[in-house]
Amino acid sequence: DVKVTQSSRYLVKRTGEKVFLECVQDMDHENMFWYRQDPGLGLRLIYFSYDVKMKEKGDIPEGYSVSREKKERFSLILESASTNQTSMYLCASIPPEGPGTDTQYFGPGTRLTVL
Amino acid sequence: AQSVAQPEDQVNVAEGNPLTVKCTYSVSGNPYLFWYVQYPNRGLQFLLKYITGDNLVKGSYGFEAEFNKSQTSFHLKKPSALVSDSALYFCAVRDSGNTPLVFGKGTRLSVIA
Repeated sequence: DVKVTQSSRYLVKRTGEKVFLECVQDMDHENMFWYRQDPGLGLRLIYFSYDVKMKEKGDIPEGYSVSREKKERFSLILESASTNQTSMYLCASIPPEGPGTDTQYFGPGTRLTVL
Repeated sequence: AQSVAQPEDQVNVAEGNPLTVKCTYSVSGNPYLFWYVQYPNRGLQFLLKYITGDNLVKGSYGFEAEFNKSQTSFHLKKPSALVSDSALYFCAVRDSGNTPLVFGKGTRLSVIA
């Protein structure tokens, strides 16, 4: 079974703090993604990565950065947390393209509150 | 650009009745279509997908979805709803194998006993 884990289920931070959200997958997937989920807005893509050291901006990258130093780990960084970044953050990964291998697997999510 | 529309924010159905959660999509090439479910305080769980082949796709927990190319729809269905089906349902699309999924805004399903 594919497993995607996220470092924290709940996190409370103060405005201006630097925040690290960690995501690890155990199936040697190359493709990893960070989304945020807000009521009425669904899931919106922040950043994604197709390989180590590689990153691509998604639809809402402002205020965020990412790091992919190892294949299994994809970190989301809030450089200076703001209250409008209070949200549920979901990490996902998919295996390399091929028949039956295109399902996106999600972690349990991190609910971040910025005070 | 790819997009997904889920026209209903909320669907209410009585237990034992059939349910339908609607989804329409827009994509430039051939669509890869997915349904995910999210239970309270949980991540997203994969339900089913359409890549190619039969238009009727069967998935987990008795759910199925019908791909309709002419109507660009991929509605989720279940013949007999259970209270435990109450959750948030997301439709998603991509136009090739490893590009990011684009999600709809979600539909909250409530099944009433």
